[in-house]
Amino acid sequence: DAGITQSPRHKVTETGTPVTLRCHQTENHRYMYWYRQDPGHGLRLIHYSYGVKDTDKGEVSDGYSVSRSKTEDFLLTLESATSSQTSVYFCAISEGGAWETQYFGPGTRLLVL
Amino acid sequence: DQQVKQNSPSLSVQEGRISILNCDYTNSMFDYFLWYKKYPAEGPTFLISISSIKDKNEDGRFTVFLNKSAKHLSLHIVPSQPGDSAVYFCAATLRGQNFVFGPGTRLSVLP
Repeated sequence: DAGITQSPRHKVTETGTPVTLRCHQTENHRYMYWYRQDPGHGLRLIHYSYGVKDTDKGEVSDGYSVSRSKTEDFLLTLESATSSQTSVYFCAISEGGAWETQYFGPGTRLLVL
Repeated sequence: DQQVKQNSPSLSVQEGRISILNCDYTNSMFDYFLWYKKYPAEGPTFLISISSIKDKNEDGRFTVFLNKSAKHLSLHIVPSQPGDSAVYFCAATLRGQNFVFGPGTRLSVLP
């Protein structure tokens, strides 16, 4: 199994509060990704990073920001959580480049009340 | 508009029989396709992949077929086992950039 951990694994928060989710990898992979999974939508890309301090937006980036100050860590921040951000969040990593596989962390279940 | 579609939300198969999961895509530039399996409360795990220069890839009980002209791929599981019951996601990518996922198909293998 790829060495990917996510913290916290579960979180309940209130609307309007800031939330930060952490992804940590031990594989030294260049690319890191944040997805959310919702029923009927599969996995949708929020943001991704292709190197330290290099990030870009995905399909559903509104309301989210990310930071990557070290190769091994990728943080996802909800500046002011809303109920529509209740979801399961997955971090993924890949080497980058053609025909490379993406590996996923165990997920963080977030409930915004 | 979804670039990767899995039109069957669910599929039930008898143990020992073949399971066939289907996936369609719209972007003919995709050059790599992957299947992931997901159990409840776990992250997706990589199952099998195929590059656009091939039309078939096998790994044990799992075979993926790619039909580029139809922009269609399928995953065959033979024989199906109860432990195969999970949600299966199809994904596509171009040059290892953004991975685009389908909505998933829930497979139930009945004993």
